[in-house]
Amino acid sequence: GEQVEQRPPHLSVREGDSAFIICTYTDSATAYFYWYKQEPGAGLQLLMSVFSNVDRKEEQGLTVLLNKKDKRLSLNLTAAHPGDSAVYFCAVSPQGTGSKLSFGKGAKLTVSP
Amino acid sequence: EAAVTQSPRNKVAVTGGKVTLSCNQTNNHNNMYWYRQDTGHGLRLIHYSYGAGSTEKGDIPDGYKASRPSQENFSLILELATPSQTSVYFCASGDGSTLYFGAGTRLSVL
Repeated sequence: GEQVEQRPPHLSVREGDSAFIICTYTDSATAYFYWYKQEPGAGLQLLMSVFSNVDRKEEQGLTVLLNKKDKRLSLNLTAAHPGDSAVYFCAVSPQGTGSKLSFGKGAKLTVSP
Repeated sequence: EAAVTQSPRNKVAVTGGKVTLSCNQTNNHNNMYWYRQDTGHGLRLIHYSYGAGSTEKGDIPDGYKASRPSQENFSLILELATPSQTSVYFCASGDGSTLYFGAGTRLSVL
């Protein structure tokens, strides 16, 4: 089945700096790509979704890049602030399986003032 | 936004006991899912459902049963709970490609 690797597992940045998280996946038929944010004690909140025909998507200080050739998905948080401190998960969904997702193991981001 | 409500939020169970985790969604989504979250493993799919009356095995179904009696409700059942099932459990619902998650149930099996 699909294997999703996410790195780094932990990262710390100063307020105003950028944070960069990468995921790689194995199934070339994968069609849907997601980034979720999990704050302590809470469920997962959808940050951004990308379909496979999109290489780059930007929303509200977040940039998602999709490299289908290398099977790599990345999330860049520009100008991070302490409220961005959370665990970030990538998730992917192959063709034809609706919203059955495979998740990365998460990246814990700490943004210090 | 879809509302997904899990109950209980916290549960302590004894080894060998029966545990039922409940999930309710109010946005009429066909698909519902149960995941568990453990340090070092991320989220792993236990069971899912495409609609009332249907349940499907996910990636780690052993030791768990699921029940979908209605569009709104999806339960996860541990008939004989074991300490290895201590975890945080998340329910999600969705249609198409987007999932909406509940706040989670923290289960401790002693």
